[in-house]
Amino acid sequence: EAGVTQSPTHLIKTRGQQATLRCSPISGHTSVYWYQQALGLGLQFLLWYDEGEERNRGNFPPRFSGRQFPNYSSELNVNALELEDSALYLCASSLVGSAETQYFGPGTRLLVL
Amino acid sequence: QKEVEQDPGPLSVPEGAIVSLNCTYSNSAFQYFMWYRQYSRKGPELLMYTYSSGNKEDGRFTAQVDKSSKYISLFIRDSQPSDSATYLCAMRDSGGGADGLTFGKGTHLIIQP
Repeated sequence: EAGVTQSPTHLIKTRGQQATLRCSPISGHTSVYWYQQALGLGLQFLLWYDEGEERNRGNFPPRFSGRQFPNYSSELNVNALELEDSALYLCASSLVGSAETQYFGPGTRLLVL
Repeated sequence: QKEVEQDPGPLSVPEGAIVSLNCTYSNSAFQYFMWYRQYSRKGPELLMYTYSSGNKEDGRFTAQVDKSSKYISLFIRDSQPSDSATYLCAMRDSGGGADGLTFGKGTHLIIQP
């Protein structure tokens, strides 16, 4: 069974640009979560989507947004990039109501210059 | 005070030793407790999760939760060089729908051959 996949693996942008990151969940999983893992800060919860709707978001500004498609894949958009947005962005998926069993993808490493 | 505290290490032990990894937390609403393993430049891998207090064993791994002390542990028996990784504890409460996990910053473990 295929795990969570993410693309691209690496992304280099400059300040002020927009970044789009993509995630495909494990087959059968409808919940998708996004996390940011910045150096020294640990994993921080960004967004949770289920059945196409944003269900919850962490303590991040509105320039972090996303969506979930009918096939449950998801996209994370980061607008007006800042240097401190440089981080590993991780996507996880789970069955609905089973947030304690989230399975992570390999991540997208975003570098903002 | 951060919600979840975890000693960053590094923790270096000889092969075959018993390893003890720990986290403390402040939010008494946490009910689910997870341990993830993350190899360098990879996404976190779910090792095991526990609901409420008690012990759970899976092969060489044992998770313990003491809610009265707000303290959780992961024990690794017969440690192997392949266990060298960063170990992350994570937690969530049981309220409402699923939401993001709260992570510790991780402990870097080195098993010396």
